[in-house]
Amino acid sequence: GQNIDQPTEMTATEGAIVQINCTYQTSGFNGLFWYQQHAGEAPTFLSYNVLDGLEEKGRFSSFLSRSKGYSYLLLKELQMKDSASYLCAVFSGGYNKLIFGAGTRLAVHP
Amino acid sequence: GAGVSQSPSNKVTEKGKDVELRCDPISGHTALYWYRQRLGQGLEFLIYFQGNSAPDKSGLPSDRFSAERTGESVSTLTIQRTQQEDSAVYLCASAPGRAGNTIYFGEGSWLTVV
Repeated sequence: GQNIDQPTEMTATEGAIVQINCTYQTSGFNGLFWYQQHAGEAPTFLSYNVLDGLEEKGRFSSFLSRSKGYSYLLLKELQMKDSASYLCAVFSGGYNKLIFGAGTRLAVHP
Repeated sequence: GAGVSQSPSNKVTEKGKDVELRCDPISGHTALYWYRQRLGQGLEFLIYFQGNSAPDKSGLPSDRFSAERTGESVSTLTIQRTQQEDSAVYLCASAPGRAGNTIYFGEGSWLTVV
């Protein structure tokens, strides 16, 4: 079976740092994505990890450990506009099917 | 086109009617995905097309759902005899080639079954 787990909701303060965790169990692995989705809008790409380690891109960083089936998205210097859902997605299976977790709703407060 | 285009953007239909949703992927993208997202929930995989390979239909929830794609062009998702539980946004995404490439989403087709 395939399973991707993320916390349902998180809250954080403007200017702070927040880490959103994602654990996965899939049949095969060909990479992990993080997407951001604002309410009523389509998801937009944030990061892609296929090798172990940390990928940094501005205020956002993403980490992957394939042996542990674990990833996290790190958001620094939080801004109000970062309030959104953050979706973890894994490429799995022979046809590289992209499966999404249920998403983590992040609320950033002043 | 510049991005993934979906139509209609909004559709209200009566229970029991058939609906057809269209997705026009980014030119040259061989991979095409359909997802369903109910209000406040995550993305539910429906179907995946990759070039001329047989599509992965493992996510289609019932035989009322079907999708077609001719080559690497437009795809249509058809829902027959719609039910209220089908109300959701249907998102299409495309990507160049196989694993490792970012997939790009369209704005979605918002379906309401009354």
